[in-house]
Amino acid sequence: DAMVIQNPRYQVTQFGKPVTLSCSQTLNHNVMYWYQQKSSQAPKLLFHYYDKDFNNEADTPDNFQSRRPNTSFCFLDIRSPGLGDAAMYLCATSSLAGDTGELFFGEGSRLTVL
Amino acid sequence: GNSVTQMEGPVTLSEEAFLTINCTYTATGYPSLFWYVQYPGEGLQLLLKATKADDKGSNKGFEATYRKETTSFHLEKGSVQVSDSAVYFCALSSDGEYGNKLVFGAGTILRVKS
Repeated sequence: DAMVIQNPRYQVTQFGKPVTLSCSQTLNHNVMYWYQQKSSQAPKLLFHYYDKDFNNEADTPDNFQSRRPNTSFCFLDIRSPGLGDAAMYLCATSSLAGDTGELFFGEGSRLTVL
Repeated sequence: GNSVTQMEGPVTLSEEAFLTINCTYTATGYPSLFWYVQYPGEGLQLLLKATKADDKGSNKGFEATYRKETTSFHLEKGSVQVSDSAVYFCALSSDGEYGNKLVFGAGTILRVKS
């Protein structure tokens, strides 16, 4: 029944070692988002895809990249994780059809940087 | 720009107490408004939503009414349970050329004691 699936749920990496987080969806939504949520803070939008069009937030560091090879999958690449990148990373989707603006979230991937 | 302000927590209540979490917003146009809930270690789940002025969203005993005149969307529940302990985020949806974006408040921690 899960509609937005994130893997892995927990990821431990070393300082500077690249990490890839994945997100898949069964909703056939054309918009996919990546949010970063640090402890006790609101989720912060990193970027989103409208179909294959990539939209970066102005303050998203270059260390964060994303790929969307098809409608169902989206990846978040952190090229050189620093201690400050330890956070929960949330993937979400939305549809523009009959739109109410609602986003559907996965359960998140928690990244620990040693 | 668009923004959401919600009351600071933590809010600590006894079981069966009445809950109010205040939320006000600043936005251009007519955004949709949402309350999302986040249980420990999990992603965000939609609790309720309202898409136009005077709409009331409701779910699981929680309610919130879209008040355009006061730019508010306060969350209420008549009788809280221990299982309601979580972080609650108020959010608004801002239209973008490439899909909607959710702007979140800072979140309010709710702790319910038995």
